[in-house]
Amino acid sequence: DTGVSQDPRHKITKRGQNVTFRCDPISEHNRLYWYRQTLGQGPEFLTYFQNEAQLEKSRLLSDRFSAERPKGSFSTLEIQRTEQGDSAMYLCASSLGGGPAGELFFGEGSRLTVL
Amino acid sequence: SQKIEQNSEALNIQEGKTATLTCNYTNYSPAYLQWYRQDPGRGPVFLLLIRENEKEKRKERLKVTFDTTLKQSLFHITASQPADSATYLCALDQMNSGGYQKVTFGIGTKLQVIP
Repeated sequence: DTGVSQDPRHKITKRGQNVTFRCDPISEHNRLYWYRQTLGQGPEFLTYFQNEAQLEKSRLLSDRFSAERPKGSFSTLEIQRTEQGDSAMYLCASSLGGGPAGELFFGEGSRLTVL
Repeated sequence: SQKIEQNSEALNIQEGKTATLTCNYTNYSPAYLQWYRQDPGRGPVFLLLIRENEKEKRKERLKVTFDTTLKQSLFHITASQPADSATYLCALDQMNSGGYQKVTFGIGTKLQVIP
């Protein structure tokens, strides 16, 4: 399978714990996005990488959230000191190109439940 | 402020009829407008993309129109089937102030095709 893969698919954690999600984009894609989606809502932009550079981080993200994309390959999204409001589906997407983003290829998401 | 509006209420139609979904936006100037399908618990899947200088795009039973004056896109599924039941997301692809393309999603419209 050469699509976007995310790990883990499901994570249940207690409030206050740290969690990390991993995304492996399609290998030749230089752009990588993280979105968050809650029930009944559309995907909400979190952050964007072009190659290894993080070009934007949503103001909706507190300092507890951090994302990296070392060497422009896979990416990780870490949430420190989780809160119940962090419960959501975290979606990763990748795309190729130098102009408009065009088609985004999404992974199946990582569902986080904070107890 | 910027808004992407999709009918948040579910759309129920009879099998065989044409489903029409609406996406309206304000304070955006998208280069592309995209439509995605999302099934419960899954990541969105790209369906169609239409450029700002295109009026209409077709793919099999799908048709998208894009009116940059009205700031509206219509998404049509002809000869609808129960398998078309899903949530359909509108997404705008626009150059942002940081000089890169950002893809922003609407809330989605849930379509239910009744046999």
